[in-house]
Order: sequence, then structure tokens, then C-alpha cells
Amino acid sequence: SQTIHQWPATLVQPVGSPLSLECTVEGTSNPNLYWYRQAAGRGLQLLFYSVGIGQISSEVPQNLSASRPQDRQFILSSKKLLLSDSGFYLCAWRASGSYEQYFGPGTRLTVT
Amino acid sequence: ELKVEQNPLFLSMQEGKNYTIYCNYSTTSDRLYWYRQDPGKSLESLFVLLSNGAVKQEGRLMASLDTKARLSTLHITAAVHDLSATYFCAARGWRGGSQGNLIFGKGTKLSVKP
Repeated sequence: SQTIHQWPATLVQPVGSPLSLECTVEGTSNPNLYWYRQAAGRGLQLLFYSVGIGQISSEVPQNLSASRPQDRQFILSSKKLLLSDSGFYLCAWRASGSYEQYFGPGTRLTVT
Repeated sequence: ELKVEQNPLFLSMQEGKNYTIYCNYSTTSDRLYWYRQDPGKSLESLFVLLSNGAVKQEGRLMASLDTKARLSTLHITAAVHDLSATYFCAARGWRGGSQGNLIFGKGTKLSVKP
């Protein structure tokens, strides 16, 4: 069966510090991968998606970037965090040709 | 551009009552999703509706899709406290605008009280 992992689960970082969040999927090959952000009490905003290794599409311009160095690994990064980057970051995956989209457990980021 | 609107955004229900959450989307979409989110947790998939007239049921929840009206509903029957959560609907964007990715509504926060 397929599983999705995210780490860390929680993170507190000062403004201006770098960020690296990791997402890995097990039990599937060549999944579509997604990064979402959910600000406190709000809906989900799609940040990046990837249909394959090295293929990243950005939905919203910001100081974040994403990379997919391996088939089942998706990384969200920032060189300098802003207060507005605080939120709940969710990674999701969908098997190619499938319609089901599943979410990881999430990383709660607080920028202080 | 595909937009998804849910209403109500907040819903306080008594146990045993029935209610419906509405999800409207602005342009053609071929898939409609419902997710549940408990406080501090991730999203759990509830239903995926793929065609006009599709109806799916799981326990006290029933979801339906009317693609002509661009409307999906999530009906709650005889609510119980365990159903308290935030419910999101999402539609899949069609070509051009949203690249086939899911566009989410703002969510409906449901509170079921005794």
C-alpha cells in the first residue's frame, strides 16, 4: 500500500532563516506531487506541483521554491523566511492516471 | 478561471438533525472531491464524484453532483458529535486555467452539539 511521509511535523523558525521541508511517498512510481499551504483558519493554496523528476510548476509567486530530486521525493525550500510564511504545509500525491489525491500528515511552520 | 464556493462557512448543528453543505464551482469541471479535516490534522478523502448525477454515501454522509448546475452537495443525516470537523470541497480545473489541479473551497466548519 502507498504511504506519504512529511517531516518535520512541527517547526519554529526565526524570520530570515532558511527552510527545508521534505515529503516522500512509498509504494508508487512516478506520482504527481503537490505542495499546499493552509494559513490559520483558511483554505488550501496550491504552491507547487510536479509531474516528474526535475519538473516543477509554480502556482503562486513567493519566496518559496520546490525541487524533486528523486521520483518519490518532493522538497519545499526557502532562503529567507517571512512572517507570512507561517502555516500548515501539506504534501499530496496522486498516481498518474488516477483521480484520487491523498494528503500527507503536514508540517506546521511558525515563523517568529 | 475555476472558482469554488462553499456555503455555509460555519454550521452549528444539533445532534440528530439533518443538514446540507453546498459547493458551487464556476466553470466546467470533471471531478468533484470532498475532504474532511479535523483540527490540527491533515485532509482525509471522503468522496470523489466523477459524473453528472453521481451519488456516494458513507455512513451519515451523502454526496451528490449536478454538473449542469455546477453544484455538489454534502448531506448530513442525523448528525452526531463525531462529525464535527471542517469539510472541504474541491473541483478539478480543466485545461488552460488550472492545469488539471484541484481548486479548493474555503471549507465549512461543522460543529455538532448535543
